[in-house]
Amino acid sequence: QQQVKQSPQSLIVQKGGISIINCAYENTAFDYFPWYQQFPGKGPALLIAIRPDVSEKKEGRFTISFNKSAKQFSLHIMDSQPGDSATYFCAASIWGAQKLVFGQGTRLTINP
Amino acid sequence: NAGVTQTPKFQVLKTGQSMTLQCAQDMNHEYMSWYRQDPGMGLRLIHYSVGAGITDQGEVPNGYNVSRSTTEDFPLRLLSAAPSQTSVYFCATTLTGREAFFGQGTRLTVV
Repeated sequence: QQQVKQSPQSLIVQKGGISIINCAYENTAFDYFPWYQQFPGKGPALLIAIRPDVSEKKEGRFTISFNKSAKQFSLHIMDSQPGDSATYFCAASIWGAQKLVFGQGTRLTINP
Repeated sequence: NAGVTQTPKFQVLKTGQSMTLQCAQDMNHEYMSWYRQDPGMGLRLIHYSVGAGITDQGEVPNGYNVSRSTTEDFPLRLLSAAPSQTSVYFCATTLTGREAFFGQGTRLTVV
């Protein structure tokens, strides 16, 4: 079963707009929630991550919002740029299990 | 530092053929894993290893074998390739079990 559900599958945003990608998880034992960014022909790379003891984490134009009660978290990209065009994956893990469970991925296109 | 190196980058196999996807890392990480990436399915864990001599199954292990004789290498073997194994394969390492560092991937087509 899919333990982490990601939406939408694809997203088109105009340059300068806000891109929002959502994820929901089922296992309340998850305690680490990273986002990965993947460019064509490359492997995914860690973009930003959050622990469940905080509700928001911001790094530059990228922000994770976390809602523990709803078991949801989302990635917001402010002032989206064409260079942000990539596939984004949310993920979750349990400390000690050393396994990341990934969402289905979102292909983001920023139109100039 | 090369990080995580995967070879080959591209491969075409006939159904029933066998092959080994290579993964080498110079980051001295204990934890290594193999994922496959398919459209709409995300990254699914095939096998993983928490150290030399220790391997375990992930979410989709059928049709794949692994071994871990050294910290640096973690090869993935397809014993009898099937069209359903057409995918992009990624090897990844982590030090703490948190941030994963991925190779550039192997695009495999089984005809």
